[in-house]
Amino acid sequence: ETGVTQSPTHLIKTRGQQVTLRCSSQSGHNTVSWYQQALGQGPQFIFQYYREEENGRGNFPPRFSGLQFPNYSSELNVNALELDDSALYLCASSLGASGNTIYFGEGSWLTVV
Amino acid sequence: GQQLNQSPQSMFIQEGEDVSMNCTSSSIFNTWLWYKQDPGEGPVLLIALYKAGELTSNGRLTAQFGITRKDSFLNISASIPSDVGIYFCAGSGNAGGTSYGKLTFGQGTILTVHP
Repeated sequence: ETGVTQSPTHLIKTRGQQVTLRCSSQSGHNTVSWYQQALGQGPQFIFQYYREEENGRGNFPPRFSGLQFPNYSSELNVNALELDDSALYLCASSLGASGNTIYFGEGSWLTVV
Repeated sequence: GQQLNQSPQSMFIQEGEDVSMNCTSSSIFNTWLWYKQDPGEGPVLLIALYKAGELTSNGRLTAQFGITRKDSFLNISASIPSDVGIYFCAGSGNAGGTSYGKLTFGQGTILTVHP
């Protein structure tokens, strides 16, 4: 139990639709990062939020966007869904933008059909 | 995206045997982390290493941060059936300190333990 909670756990969307995934960080952790994990692969860094601002981004297009709220919870939004967006989306929290001990939630399984 | 080179890709062992897996990178990292992931769940942090040369244990698990900061290994002693899962290495904090909090993952080692 890492204290990082994500919702929903599973969802199915149609190509072209938009999706919002949510994350509550571990108590006291002010930094949230999002990762995409395709089947059989390691997680890939999407972006990090610190103090409600994006603080680093991986190699993902602008249709992947996020928000962080004053209570440190976060949302990942993906517009114009493509079939290849089907993956496990993981939220991770840490203390501070330089926090090196990073804890993951259980993930949200997204299937795009 | 960039990934670390993790080996072996899979291991089939008997209960009670020791296991060793390693991870190498072309880049220097300031932190190495080892995670275990069970099917359908998020990665669970096993061991975090913060200093080159550091050797850290967590029960039957031992991990080392390579002296060059470009590699790490994880050993599991006396394996048990519940050790089954996918093990990932991850590096954080490339030289320059601009990417703390961003983890770069290996491709994972699938461990199967036969009773």
